[in-house]
Amino acid sequence: DGGITQSPKYLFRKEGQNVTLSCEQNLNHDAMYWYRQDPGQGLRLIYYSQIVNDFQKGDIAEGYSVSREKKESFPLTVTSAQKNPTAFYLCASSWGGNEETQYFGPGTRLLVL
Amino acid sequence: DQQVKQNSPSLSVQEGRISILNCDYTNSMFDYFLWYKKYPAEGPTFLISISSIKDKNEDGRFTVFLNKSAKHLSLHIVPSQPGDSAVYFCAATDSWGKLQFGAGTQVVVTP
Repeated sequence: DGGITQSPKYLFRKEGQNVTLSCEQNLNHDAMYWYRQDPGQGLRLIYYSQIVNDFQKGDIAEGYSVSREKKESFPLTVTSAQKNPTAFYLCASSWGGNEETQYFGPGTRLLVL
Repeated sequence: DQQVKQNSPSLSVQEGRISILNCDYTNSMFDYFLWYKKYPAEGPTFLISISSIKDKNEDGRFTVFLNKSAKHLSLHIVPSQPGDSAVYFCAATDSWGKLQFGAGTQVVVTP
């Protein structure tokens, strides 16, 4: 049963704490992405990775970090430097290349305590 | 600076009628356009796409129209059904998979 999984569904962060959001895909996709959705706004790209061991900053990378050590995994760390982390975080993957359709995971909602 | 704009945050339509969602873009280098549908607390799901070499693409009840000269695309849903109630995002790309999304339009289909 192929797809993209994100965990946890809900995550709470205390002030000054780093938290890591998990994203796993078994679609054999080369490219993976992290987006953030805020109310009334579209999806904004945080980081993306086109291949293992390589990743690039998106439009709003400050306060976030990623790694891509395995093809199927692309975890996102929300660091204490991210001053407004409360949002819905979406992970996506695609085969990579032009005219690309991305497939999204179910999302993780991060809340700050 | 938002390159993809959906100027209608919401749309209410009666069941059985046509829903028309609009999207404008500013980057003339965009050459592939997609529509995604999103239910609350879920990830978006791909709905339909169109390449810049076409001006229309149809898939069942969904049709996307592209007007390159006006930098405008629209999604038509005919007939609208209650299950179509969701947020619809327009997206565009000019490079390897890096999509730019609009802010979304909330569609409510009423009985």
